[in-house]
Amino acid sequence: AQRVTQPEKLLSVFKGAPVELKCNYSYSGSPELFWYVQYSRQRLQLLLRHISRESIKGFTADLNKGETSFHLKKPFAQEEDSAMYYCALLSGGSYIPTFGRGTSLIVHP
Amino acid sequence: KAGVTQTPRYLIKTRGQQVTLSCSPISGHRSVSWYQQTPGQGLQFLFEYFSETQRNKGNFPGRFSGRQFSNSRSEMNVSTLELGDSALYLCASSLGGGIQNEQFFGPGTRLTVL
Repeated sequence: AQRVTQPEKLLSVFKGAPVELKCNYSYSGSPELFWYVQYSRQRLQLLLRHISRESIKGFTADLNKGETSFHLKKPFAQEEDSAMYYCALLSGGSYIPTFGRGTSLIVHP
Repeated sequence: KAGVTQTPRYLIKTRGQQVTLSCSPISGHRSVSWYQQTPGQGLQFLFEYFSETQRNKGNFPGRFSGRQFSNSRSEMNVSTLELGDSALYLCASSLGGGIQNEQFFGPGTRLTVL
């Protein structure tokens, strides 16, 4: 069965510091991976997906099939990045997504 | 364009009762997916409807059911409620269906089972 693990429930950094939110997955095939974000009092929304290979709000994520990881990175964290981040996986041929438990990112001024 | 709306926003029920939640997707979206969010299990996929047909179903008991109407509005029903059904229920709509096509989430319905 596919699984998504976000090992940190909480990540606390200072403004301007680099941030990396970890996501590891277990799936033997070719997955599609996504990062979703939920800001305080806002709705869950898509942040980025690995197939688009784009940077959104300064965040990037690279799929590492060897390490089965899809970590989310930003070189300089901003206070407005404080939010809950969820990693999600879609296995090949399936339309049933699997989400990680989420990581709460707090960026201190 | 109006976003995804869910009604009611809050609901309190007792064990054994049943409940119906409603989701109105963004105009033009034919897919509606439902998710259960709890502190213990996180976000879990319930099912997806596309053009009135259930297209995918997650690993939930048969007490959880849904339907979609011709106007793409969707309802989710939970029968014989259990304490463990207390959760935030989110729905999301998309044009093509599934998270591979960008989904837009509603604000959720907070269900409390006493």
